[in-house]
Amino acid sequence: EAGVAQSPRYKIIEKRQSVAFWCNPISGHATLYWYQQILGQGPKLLIQFQNNGVVDDSQLPKDRFSAERLKGVDSTLKIQPAKLEDSAVYLCASSPRLISGNTIYFGEGSWLTVV
Amino acid sequence: EDKVVQSPLSLVVHEGDTVTLNCSYEVTNFRSLLWYKQEKKAPTFLFMLTSSGIEKKSGRLSSILDKKELFSILNITATQTGDSAVYLCAVEPLNPGSSNTGKLIFGQGTTLQVKP
Repeated sequence: EAGVAQSPRYKIIEKRQSVAFWCNPISGHATLYWYQQILGQGPKLLIQFQNNGVVDDSQLPKDRFSAERLKGVDSTLKIQPAKLEDSAVYLCASSPRLISGNTIYFGEGSWLTVV
Repeated sequence: EDKVVQSPLSLVVHEGDTVTLNCSYEVTNFRSLLWYKQEKKAPTFLFMLTSSGIEKKSGRLSSILDKKELFSILNITATQTGDSAVYLCAVEPLNPGSSNTGKLIFGQGTTLQVKP
């Protein structure tokens, strides 16, 4: 079974530029998550989708971050304009539905450095 | 605000040592506590704990939950260099109506380095 796919794996941009990350969840998984993991910290949930609807985006900095999952499958996370403090790993995860935490599968992450 | 705190933040041991990692939490509506291992890539699932006092075991790793004192420990015996990683503790809360949220609140992680 294919895992959660993310791209690009690594990105370096200058502050005030924009960047987009793509995630393809495990086939059939209805729930998709984007987590931000700053170096030395644990992952923090940015946004959670159930199919193509947003379940929780309370910690998404909406002035600069946006995410969509238009057809309930792939998702894109965009940052515009980027700030130095956005340097982090962006982890995408998916699960079959809103069930127990041990059914959440993580991708390998997109590493962002803002200079 | 729901919170998960891990200690120590980092640990250096030698092969063969036994280590204990700690995780304490404050969550309004608790469903489960999970442990993950992260080696510069995707976090991989280790254990999910929902009941107090029942030890979960997998090889040299074991974990237990105390819902009265709101903490969990992860033990690793006879450590090997391959155990070097960041160990993440996460709590899964319930919605006020006791339905699943499906989301995880993570601690800051414990970085374990095992020296040969």
